[in-house]
Amino acid sequence: DGGITQSPKYLFRKEGQNVTLSCEQNLNHDAMYWYRQDPGQGLRLIYYSQIVNDFQKGDIAEGYSVSREKKESFPLTVTSAQKNPTAFYLCASSIRGGAGNTIYFGEGSWLTVV
Amino acid sequence: GENVEQHPSTLSVQEGDSAVIKCTYSDSASNYFPWYKQELGKRPQLIIDIRSNVGEKKDQRIAVTLNKTAKHFSLHITETQPEDSAVYFCAASMGGNGGSQGNLIFGKGTKLSVKP
Repeated sequence: DGGITQSPKYLFRKEGQNVTLSCEQNLNHDAMYWYRQDPGQGLRLIYYSQIVNDFQKGDIAEGYSVSREKKESFPLTVTSAQKNPTAFYLCASSIRGGAGNTIYFGEGSWLTVV
Repeated sequence: GENVEQHPSTLSVQEGDSAVIKCTYSDSASNYFPWYKQELGKRPQLIIDIRSNVGEKKDQRIAVTLNKTAKHFSLHITETQPEDSAVYFCAASMGGNGGSQGNLIFGKGTKLSVKP
């Protein structure tokens, strides 16, 4: 919720560039997630991490990479291999991974390819 | 894997009327069903959730019902107000812990417009 900070809010990327979106949480949550939101497509899971130093691919991981070196931080890199990166990106966290744990979202980052 | 269908994609109601949004899911092992409200340009926020051991849950003007046999769940908003206008997402979480089983699968959203 208010304890999840994403930056930058708006980002423009030239074709062929990698960009990194920051996500920091101070909720002491174990699990963190990255979702992509396109108009009419709902939220699709890119990557998730249930614990420090571990992460798993979601449904649309191609062209993205993540790291989880600290519990508080889960940055997402949008690589040049992602052919259609323009979207709204949402970071989220939950107290634990697994079923039934409420997910809280950050404010989101808008990425536009120019 | 789990698949969540949400209907309708758009819904327009008059202020004071009720609004109902329906979702179906495919995996009978799913046991957690949250609903999120997202205002334009903002983050989704949890408004209500239900677990598979109950059939209905209410919170003031909002209620959610779950039919496990038919594998569908619905959001009911009564006495709608203009500030209810937003996109609403349903989601389902597969049963079990660890791996990808607990991850939420979202519907595509319903844009609700409440006309004064």
